[in-house]
Amino acid sequence: QKEVEQNSGPLSVPEGAIASLNCTYSDRVSQSFFWYRQYSGKSPELIMSIYSNGDKEDGRFTAQLNKASQYVSLLIRDSQPSDSATYLCAVGRDNYGQNFVFGPGTRLSVLP
Amino acid sequence: EAGVVQSPRYKIIEKKQPVAFWCNPISGHNTLYWYLQNLGQGPELLIRYENEEAVDDSQLPKDRFSAERLKGVDSTLKIQPAELGDSAVYLCASSPGLAKSPDTQYFGPGTRLTVL
Repeated sequence: QKEVEQNSGPLSVPEGAIASLNCTYSDRVSQSFFWYRQYSGKSPELIMSIYSNGDKEDGRFTAQLNKASQYVSLLIRDSQPSDSATYLCAVGRDNYGQNFVFGPGTRLSVLP
Repeated sequence: EAGVVQSPRYKIIEKKQPVAFWCNPISGHNTLYWYLQNLGQGPELLIRYENEEAVDDSQLPKDRFSAERLKGVDSTLKIQPAELGDSAVYLCASSPGLAKSPDTQYFGPGTRLTVL
């Protein structure tokens, strides 16, 4: 079993819809969770981090964490074509964000 | 503020040849990371430095890969000899360090290596 799993996609949603990206992890003692966005041919950039169970909202993005189910998700409201990218889930073994494992990423395509 | 700088951006070599990648982190960042990213996969950590000390190199294939971070600033990652399977993007990232929690990693543009 891989440490961090994501559906590779592509996930296609129409412009203006909600995109839902999911991630599961195997290490029960994981402490920190991150979502990175990576445009094709570019480097990853951090968009959200979450450390506690529940929801965390930042603009159009909402991260949801359920440690009991070992599940973290990212919702993108009012999806725009510019959101089309690969979204990488990263799960950390500590609280500092220095030591984490990336999932394979989910490719999102927002259709105009 | 200048971001993480990497060079070269692209490198094509023949197998068994040596290759080196260079990274200059964001000024003041104590922690430096080297990742390998294969197509369609997430980045995989090769080595992490705290200042000049390698604190996690458990995933670095030490028979052919080496890295250094002299003076705790710039870093070089070397492969000798390169194999076909080393073709990938090599990403460098830096973060301020544990004094700032959480410690956000910032990635450079990467070096795309092709081994023929």
